[in-house]
Amino acid sequence: GAVVSQHPSWVICKSGTSVKIECRSLDFQATTMFWYRQFPKQSLMLMATSNEGSKATYEQGVEKDKFLINHASLTLSTLTVTSAHPEDSSFYICSASGAGGPETQYFGPGTRLLVL
Amino acid sequence: DAKTTQPNSMESNEEEPVHLPCNHSTISGTDYIHWYRQLPSQGPEYVIHGLTSNVNNRMASLAIAEDRKSSTLILHRATLRDAAVYYCILTGEYGNKLVFGAGTILRVKS
Repeated sequence: GAVVSQHPSWVICKSGTSVKIECRSLDFQATTMFWYRQFPKQSLMLMATSNEGSKATYEQGVEKDKFLINHASLTLSTLTVTSAHPEDSSFYICSASGAGGPETQYFGPGTRLLVL
Repeated sequence: DAKTTQPNSMESNEEEPVHLPCNHSTISGTDYIHWYRQLPSQGPEYVIHGLTSNVNNRMASLAIAEDRKSSTLILHRATLRDAAVYYCILTGEYGNKLVFGAGTILRVKS
């Protein structure tokens, strides 16, 4: 149980285009979903926290107009990287909580984004 | 901030137990101790968590010191599939947010 999926698993796009990444909790209702970014050889950095039906809360330094987060249902959250640039190339990972108590997060497999 | 300190790396032989330490001397009474691990090119995986008492599950055991200032994740029989970065994280101060440190790189030798 407590499975989280992400789609796509990897994406290559041209600079200036927008990319949408989906995160789904497959067998539980996620009260809260989180988005992280991980650069090579570094640890995960939390980008934002979202609750279903509410606006996302962004961490300091994360541009909310560039990284649009929508949490439309208890099983789906999306992250849209708008006008992507090469420096946005990274490993994006979502997680969801709600299955094992509010403090346990279940992570998706990640989406690797390469912006050319 | 309630932070954790872990060794940068550890090495273990296959089929042997592994004890991964974590120091958290500034832990508060409401902080839970969580362990996650991340295999190469994958999202992190929940391992175990606890508050005061030792915990066991199918993946590992968590031993928490009586003063809660340190804990140890125990893998009873390491396999090559256990090679990963292990993160010890405190939750409570940040609500349900996870703040990842550098973690411990566990290498398992066959």
